[in-house]
Amino acid sequence: DAKTTQPNSMESNEEEPVHLPCNHSTISGTDYIHWYRQLPSQGPEYVIHGLTSNVNNRMASLAIAEDRKSSTLILHRATLRDAAVYYCIPVHGSGNTGKLIFGQGTTLQVKP
Amino acid sequence: NAGVTQTPKFQVLKTGQSMTLQCAQDMNHEYMSWYRQDPGMGLRLIHYSVGAGITDQGEVPNGYNVSRSTTEDFPLRLLSAAPSQTSVYFCASNPLNTGELFFGEGSRLTVL
Repeated sequence: DAKTTQPNSMESNEEEPVHLPCNHSTISGTDYIHWYRQLPSQGPEYVIHGLTSNVNNRMASLAIAEDRKSSTLILHRATLRDAAVYYCIPVHGSGNTGKLIFGQGTTLQVKP
Repeated sequence: NAGVTQTPKFQVLKTGQSMTLQCAQDMNHEYMSWYRQDPGMGLRLIHYSVGAGITDQGEVPNGYNVSRSTTEDFPLRLLSAAPSQTSVYFCASNPLNTGELFFGEGSRLTVL
């Protein structure tokens, strides 16, 4: 399984963009990059995933480096509700049998 | 849709007792999985299932049993509870060939 490295914590001001980095230098060519977040006292929730090209959805954008050894989750305007632990997770193949390997993630603090 | 429903939300057990954590999903998802989360840690996979009648072990299966008799239900059984099993347990489901897991709200278990 590919290993990931994320900063333990980050801070942002409300309504400013946030860039959450993830290094995954051992990722294989068929591994997708998934991002989940976990709000306090809740289960994780899916944010976004991608393979090679950048991806956008209503929650965030995902920028994947050309060599695929790193990616960045972008929250365009952070809100207080975005304070959470963010997990970057490589997943083999386009499908997902439910087997996710969670690391420590990045704890994002959002200041009003 | 209720999504993924876990019961109970809280439970206190004595060492050696057995119990079952219930998980039900109403989204007709093929895949279901159980994770545990210890304080300050990421989630770890206990068991998972790719369909009714099919289960397999994850990272930390010892001390837990599962069965999948229906698509909707995936109970997790603790055979003889130990203090080391004090944790928050999350159940998740996802459909075939997509990346998005849906998590329940968690069941907080304390073993004295």
